[in-house]
Amino acid sequence: KQEVTQIPAALSVPEGENLVLNCSFTDSAIYNLQWFRQDPGKGLTSLLLIQSSQREQTSGRLNASLDKSSGRSTLYIAASQPGDSATYLCAVNRPNSGYALNFGKGTSLLVTP
Amino acid sequence: DGGITQSPKYLFRKEGQNVTLSCEQNLNHDAMYWYRQDPGQGLRLIYYSQIVNDFQKGDIAEGYSVSREKKESFPLTVTSAQKNPTAFYLCASSATLRDQETQYFGPGTRLLVL
Repeated sequence: KQEVTQIPAALSVPEGENLVLNCSFTDSAIYNLQWFRQDPGKGLTSLLLIQSSQREQTSGRLNASLDKSSGRSTLYIAASQPGDSATYLCAVNRPNSGYALNFGKGTSLLVTP
Repeated sequence: DGGITQSPKYLFRKEGQNVTLSCEQNLNHDAMYWYRQDPGQGLRLIYYSQIVNDFQKGDIAEGYSVSREKKESFPLTVTSAQKNPTAFYLCASSATLRDQETQYFGPGTRLLVL
């Protein structure tokens, strides 16, 4: 069974810092990996999708990498801002369940002014 | 605007009552999903549907039922058999079953037990 783990569970940083969120998964037979953002009481917003054949994806200040063989992904946020405060969720694609997603428990990020 | 709508935003269930959560999408997506989120937990898959008139159980389907009579609609019923229904419910959809398609999520419904 695929297990997805995110470290750390919570993180507090001052504005302007660069930071890294970590995600690991136990079964390397994935089709893709996605990073989502969730604000309190809201749905999920897709940030980046990395296909299994790719090593990284970039969008603005966000960069996500994927090392499928070691079962790891990182989300790098450059020059953090208070508006980045949210929970960040990592998920891997499950081809044997209609391509549903297996989620980690998330990293709760607080960026202080 | 294209997207996924869920209603209601909040839902209260009395003991022994069945309640239905609505999920509608106008993205013309084939696949739809229901997830449950509990505090401090990742999302868990309840049911999914890859095509109209077909759906499959996910990891925690007991106490829930779904239907997929139209491509754009995938309602979830929480039955009285679900003994711990208090949670945040999220509906999602994706275009195809290909690996490069992201999932889009609705705003969620919070279910509370009276």
